[in-house]
Amino acid sequence: DAKTTQPPSMDCAEGRAANLPCNHSTISGNEYVYWYRQIHSQGPQYIIHGLKNNETNEMASLIITEDRKSSTLILPHATLRDTAVYYCIVRAPGAGGTSYGKLTFGQGTILTVHP
Amino acid sequence: DAGITQSPRHKVTETGTPVTLRCHQTENHRYMYWYRQDPGHGLRLIHYSYGVKDTDKGEVSDGYSVSRSKTEDFLLTLESATSSQTSVYFCAISDPDSYNEQFFGPGTRLTVL
Repeated sequence: DAKTTQPPSMDCAEGRAANLPCNHSTISGNEYVYWYRQIHSQGPQYIIHGLKNNETNEMASLIITEDRKSSTLILPHATLRDTAVYYCIVRAPGAGGTSYGKLTFGQGTILTVHP
Repeated sequence: DAGITQSPRHKVTETGTPVTLRCHQTENHRYMYWYRQDPGHGLRLIHYSYGVKDTDKGEVSDGYSVSRSKTEDFLLTLESATSSQTSVYFCAISDPDSYNEQFFGPGTRLTVL
């Protein structure tokens, strides 16, 4: 799986957009970008994933650059409940070979949303 | 939320005793995983299962064994608990016929004295 680089921490004001960057310069053509978050003491929560097109769901938007070497997770109107550690993970989605859907979590970005 | 439960949610035990943690799912997902989370290490994969009776090791499998006799249950056993196994344990499930996004349980906090 490709390695990702995220800033260790970010701050955001409540009600503003939170833009969380992720670098994945060694991403392969069949690898997707997945985002998860972990709110204190809870299990990680799936947010969104994408291959090369921008994606949006009820939680967030994912913007992937044209060369796919970086991406940005956007929380359009951050709330205090969005304070969490955000993980960017790059991997192939399928079960081929010995992948079996395994995820490798890095250190992530600690997002703190302030009132 | 995906139907994943873990039991017990909290456990305190003594060094040398056997411990079994249970993960139960109602989603009929084929893949199941056990992770542990420790300060400074993030989430690390212990074991995973890609079908009934089909399991394999993750990156930190020493001292742990698993069993999966039916789709909905994945058991993690510490044969002889040690203090280094004090941790928070998370179970996860995924569907290989989808995009393999993983859904996590609420976690089990295990303390080995």
